[in-house]
Amino acid sequence: DGGITQSPKYLFRKEGQNVTLSCEQNLNHDAMYWYRQDPGQGLRLIYYSQIVNDFQKGDIAEGYSVSREKKESFPLTVTSAQKNPTAFYLCASSISGANQETQYFGPGTRLLVL
Amino acid sequence: KNQVEQSPQSLIILEGKNCTLQCNYTVSPFSNLRWYKQDTGRGPVSLTIMTFSENTKSNRRYTATLDADTKQSSLHITASQLSDSASYICVVSAPRSSASKIIFGSGTRLSIRP
Repeated sequence: DGGITQSPKYLFRKEGQNVTLSCEQNLNHDAMYWYRQDPGQGLRLIYYSQIVNDFQKGDIAEGYSVSREKKESFPLTVTSAQKNPTAFYLCASSISGANQETQYFGPGTRLLVL
Repeated sequence: KNQVEQSPQSLIILEGKNCTLQCNYTVSPFSNLRWYKQDTGRGPVSLTIMTFSENTKSNRRYTATLDADTKQSSLHITASQLSDSASYICVVSAPRSSASKIIFGSGTRLSIRP
C-alpha cells in the first residue's frame, strides 16, 4: 500500500448523513485520486487533484465532494445526495498526475449503509 | 460497452500450475497498459506496465504480453503459489494528461488451491 493510508477501514452511514473518508500520503506526490469499486465492475473515478487547492470531477462525481487544502491529504465526503453509496472506496496518488505514471493505492475504506 | 474487457471473470487452478489471463481493449489512441494485483480487501498494486512499442514484460513469475495491433494483452503466471490468489486488473491509458483517460477492467478473480 506504499505510503498511503485510508481511514476508517469500515464506515457505516445512516440515511441522510454525510460521511467523510480520510486519505493521507507521505510520498510527496502532487496528484491524488478517489475511486469507487463495485462488485463485477472496474474502478470508477470520482474526483482527482493534481495540485493543492484544485481538483477535477471524474466520471461519477455526483453526490460526492472533496477538498485539497494540503498536499498530503485528500478527504472525500459522501453526501446524502449519493443514493447508492455502498461500495469499496480507494484513494491513490501519483507523482504529477500524468496518466502514464504508476498510481499507488491505499488499503481502501468499505462504506455500508445502515 | 466496456472499453477494457477481461476474461475469464474467475479462475481456479491448483498450486504449481500455470495460467493465462486475457485483456482486450478498444481504447484508442493508446498510451500504455498495466496489470495490477489486488488482494481481497486491499488496494491494487502495479505488476507491469507496457507502452505501445513493448510486446512483453516480466516481473518475477508474472509475464505480460501486448499486441497493440489486435489490442490484446495477456498476463501469464508461472508456477502459481497460494499467495497469487487475488484479482488481476488490466488498466489502459490514453495519451492525454488526464486521470479520466485511465480505464480499468473489471478484473479476473484467481483462486489457487493447494
